[in-house]
Amino acid sequence: GAVVSQHPSRVICKSGTSVKIECRSLDFQATTMFWYRQFPKKSLMLMATSNEGSKATYEQGVEKDKFLINHASLTLSTLTVTSAHPEDSSFYICSAWRTSGQETQYFGPGTRLLVL
Amino acid sequence: DQQVKQNSPSLSVQEGRISILNCDYTNSMFDYFLWYKKYPAEGPTFLISISSIKDKNEDGRFTVFLNKSAKHLSLHIVPSQPGDSAVYFCAASGGANSKLTFGKGITLSVRP
Repeated sequence: GAVVSQHPSRVICKSGTSVKIECRSLDFQATTMFWYRQFPKKSLMLMATSNEGSKATYEQGVEKDKFLINHASLTLSTLTVTSAHPEDSSFYICSAWRTSGQETQYFGPGTRLLVL
Repeated sequence: DQQVKQNSPSLSVQEGRISILNCDYTNSMFDYFLWYKKYPAEGPTFLISISSIKDKNEDGRFTVFLNKSAKHLSLHIVPSQPGDSAVYFCAASGGANSKLTFGKGITLSVRP
């Protein structure tokens, strides 16, 4: 079964509004989660590393004021796309490292964002 | 510079035969390698992983081989099934809680 969930799975919003996406690790605690974006026919692009209890680390070229990340607990990280524009429309995926048992990074099912 | 390379964009095999997916890396600091399967509009699904202290890991139909001296790993799927048709990504990391570096993926098609 799924070990990382995302909510919502799909969201449509108007340009200028903010959208929050949640990522939860379901049966393990994750001090580190990651946020990715996937463009059509492209590989996953890492946006940022979300660290529980501290600031996120953003990859080069990713606007931290545009994509706000909060890792409030060991099972929840949120990505807020602020003042969304049509070019922010994309497929956003989170992941979390499970370090108990077999160490593996699990991915969520993704969130499809469409900004009109 | 691409640190994880999947040089073949696609592979087609007959059902029941072996699928061999290759991956090369350049960064010697990578010590953990993972394979994921992905369908469009879904998150990647973890398949199998291998630590750099091993040269082989097996899980059911999936076996991953690691050749550290050649900086090469491969995923073997035996026997291949039509349901295996998907995009497969190779990924590498410097350890737990480290970010993954992905290859570009390879599209596997298994013909009935």
